[in-house]
Amino acid sequence: AQSVTQPDIHITVSEGASLELRCNYSYGATPYLFWYVQSPGQGLQLLLKYFSGDTLVQGTKGFEAEFKRSQSSFNLRKPSVHWSDAAEYFCAVVSMDSSYKLIFGSGTRLLVRP
Amino acid sequence: EPEVTQTPSHQVTQMGQEVILRCVPISNHLYFYWYRQILGQKVEFLVSFYNNEISEKSEIFDDQFSVERPDGSNFTLKIRSTKLEDSAMYFCATGSWGENQPQHFGDGTRLSIL
Repeated sequence: AQSVTQPDIHITVSEGASLELRCNYSYGATPYLFWYVQSPGQGLQLLLKYFSGDTLVQGTKGFEAEFKRSQSSFNLRKPSVHWSDAAEYFCAVVSMDSSYKLIFGSGTRLLVRP
Repeated sequence: EPEVTQTPSHQVTQMGQEVILRCVPISNHLYFYWYRQILGQKVEFLVSFYNNEISEKSEIFDDQFSVERPDGSNFTLKIRSTKLEDSAMYFCATGSWGENQPQHFGDGTRLSIL
């Protein structure tokens, strides 16, 4: 069965520092991968997606993610974090059955130090 | 940009009562989903709905749950007899055709069972 692992429950970075949030997936073929962001009390907003092609994908709010098949990873990066980036970040993979449901990781909560 | 709209934003209900959560999907979308997120936990798939029928449901989606799209626009989740453990954030998501189309999420309904 497909699965997603986000090994870091919390990450704290200083404003202006770079950020990398880890995501590992389990799937035999090429996965369809997403990163979503959730601010407190809010819904899930799509940051970026990977389906095929270029393994470095650009998203909204200055985020990017790199798909590495050899490491089964899809890590999210940002070169310079802003205080408004503090939120919970979820990595997800599409389940390749008829429903195309999303399978989410457990999330990483990002805290930004002033 | 089109949005998925959920109502109510917060629902407080006595245990054993019925609740109906409502979702207005993006108009040209064909796939509809309900997910839930218990406080502090990851987002879990409940049910998917396509072509006016359930395409997949999770173990969570037992006989107390039902979904329908009664008027071709609203997509509803009904919990017939609520339990304390049904307290969670419930998200509606919709997607257009195909596994490579991202799902768009509503802001969620926070359900509190007393």
